[in-house]
Amino acid sequence: AQSVTQPDIHITVSEGASLELRCNYSYGATPYLFWYVQSPGQGLQLLLKYFSGDTLVQGIKGFEAEFKRSQSSFNLRKPSVHWSDAAEYFCAVAGRGYQKVTFGTGTKLQVIP
Amino acid sequence: DAGVTQSPTHLIKTRGQQVTLRCSPKSGHDTVSWYQQALGQGPQFIFQYYEEEERQRGNFPDRFSGHQFPNYSSELNVNALLLGDSALYLCASSLGGQGNYNEQFFGPGTRLTVL
Repeated sequence: AQSVTQPDIHITVSEGASLELRCNYSYGATPYLFWYVQSPGQGLQLLLKYFSGDTLVQGIKGFEAEFKRSQSSFNLRKPSVHWSDAAEYFCAVAGRGYQKVTFGTGTKLQVIP
Repeated sequence: DAGVTQSPTHLIKTRGQQVTLRCSPKSGHDTVSWYQQALGQGPQFIFQYYEEEERQRGNFPDRFSGHQFPNYSSELNVNALLLGDSALYLCASSLGGQGNYNEQFFGPGTRLTVL
């Protein structure tokens, strides 16, 4: 069974500081990996995805993530956080074949001036 | 090009009632997945419809059922509502077919409150 762990429930960073959100997954083969962002009262927006190839993937809004197979991790990073990045971030995994997506419990990001 | 749309936006029901939520997929998409997102949690997969049939199901009771129409739109029905069914219900659409993952596009959700 596939699963995702986001160990940080809540993170606070200062505007302009760097950000790293952690994600560990469990899946028997090479998974599809995603990061989504959700603002209050909104649906989910895809930030980036990893399917295969280069393990460092670039996404929208200046985000990037690195797939590390040996650590079963897919951490999200941003070099300089903006106040508008405050939201909840979800890491997710999907298997090949059917398209069920399994989400982590989310990390809520707070940005302080 | 309209994205995924869901209706209604908000809904209030009482325990024991039944509810129907609706989803129209993104143009060109033929697969619809439904997710339940309880407050403070990540979305949980309910089921997926492709070619008008339920293709895959998560760990949800039979009170949760669905339907997909020939135009690919979908309904989620929940019977005998419980307080614990209060959540944001998200619909996602994608292109079907096994073997390769196709990106799911999410709608804004329907907020269901059960009193």
